[in-house]
Amino acid sequence: QVQLVESGGGVVQPGGSLRLSCAASGFTFSNYGMHWVRQAPGKGLEWVAFVRIGGTKTKYLDSVRGRLTISRDNSKNTVYLQMDSLRTEDTAVYYCVKDSGSGSDSEGSFDSWGQGTLVIVSS
Amino acid sequence: DVVMTQSPLSLPVTLGQPASISCRSSESLVYGDGDTYLNWFHQRPGQSPRRLIYKVSNRDSGVPDRFSGSGSGTDFTLRISRVEAEDVGVYYCMQGTHWSYTFGQGTKLEIK
Repeated sequence: QVQLVESGGGVVQPGGSLRLSCAASGFTFSNYGMHWVRQAPGKGLEWVAFVRIGGTKTKYLDSVRGRLTISRDNSKNTVYLQMDSLRTEDTAVYYCVKDSGSGSDSEGSFDSWGQGTLVIVSS
Repeated sequence: DVVMTQSPLSLPVTLGQPASISCRSSESLVYGDGDTYLNWFHQRPGQSPRRLIYKVSNRDSGVPDRFSGSGSGTDFTLRISRVEAEDVGVYYCMQGTHWSYTFGQGTKLEIK
């Protein structure tokens, strides 16, 4: 079955950087777009970023564009989120999420979620 | 961005009774291909979200048939015909028609 395992979370100071990884298994990774979705402590869900199957096309939440970068390595079945210039408001659990469409673009839905990794931005 | 508004935000329900959650979008969710990309997710305490419904009314595999989704355009509803104890948690609607994808605020279902 589909497994998504995030890693790389931790505590970082404002302005710092962190790189999240998500190892995927149980499906043909190169055939599916991938997303990151976050959830601040005690709050709701917020979509953050999307990367297409080939890795060349990406989409971002406006408030993270230019600071967070999503990428993928299909040879390693892994998707990444490079987080730079971090702000306190980026504090959240970050979920790696599989798009439900097996085409070249998003299917507008998510069918599998990882367990999440916690990022805390604090001085 | 498209704003998704859920109501109610808190939903106390007696076991065995029905429950209903409304979700309204600030713009039509009908995509150019004719499909409507409205999803429902359920998040139990301490767990990751799980999709229940996609494209308004399609139930995911393994989702009990007491869950149903309906609606069109900008107005959508998730219904639970008879609430069971395992249904507690927070329910989110999410639109996947317009970038950036957006979620509703969440509706917390609890047992009375």
